[in-house]
Amino acid sequence: EVQLLQSGAALKKPGESLRISCKISEFTFDDYWIGWVRQRPGKGLEWMGVVYPSDSDIRYSPSFQGQVTMSADKSINTAYLQWSGLKASDTATYYCASRGDGDFYYGLDVWGHGTTVTVSS
Amino acid sequence: QSVLTQAPSVSGAPGQRVAISCTGSGSNIGAGYDVQWYQQLPGTAPKLLIFGKTQRASGVPDRFSGSSSGTSASLAITGLRAEDEADYFCQSYDSSLSGYVFGTGTTVTVL
Repeated sequence: EVQLLQSGAALKKPGESLRISCKISEFTFDDYWIGWVRQRPGKGLEWMGVVYPSDSDIRYSPSFQGQVTMSADKSINTAYLQWSGLKASDTATYYCASRGDGDFYYGLDVWGHGTTVTVSS
Repeated sequence: QSVLTQAPSVSGAPGQRVAISCTGSGSNIGAGYDVQWYQQLPGTAPKLLIFGKTQRASGVPDRFSGSSSGTSASLAITGLRAEDEADYFCQSYDSSLSGYVFGTGTTVTVL
């Protein structure tokens, strides 16, 4: 069974950098993908984009292009989401998620527990 | 902002049926892309309930059912139970955004 293990909560100041991680247990195929979802406090789900660790192909949602950087290291089965200059508006819980059979159009049936990022001076 | 629109809240008594609608457009649901539904209990990650418009995910009771027509989709919960109190989100793919889109979310309250 595929599992996604996310890094712990982070408390940062505005302008600081941050990288959070999503450790992937085993997929049975190479062309799996990892998506990132933002949820601000008391708000809905927002799709940030998807990374394909096999070839590092990354597709950002237009709303997040230029705001964050997604990456992956296939050798250690880990995906990353990073910021170079955090803002208070980045305060949210960030989920990594995927689908166990790899079918992109059938949604997300595997979720990490979420990483809460708090940005405050 | 969300591309798929849902009513903010619905409520029902135990045992009743409630339905949650999700309205999109011609670049997502109306284009025939599959619709998924997620349940999110407080403080937890979302859980996939319905995929491919009508298919229940593994372990999801048959009290939950999905349907789709035109640019809209719907999630129905029959035999409402206290444990169904949660937020529910629809999701599809949008060709103009080249990625997933989520609904605004609906809070279900069991009276």
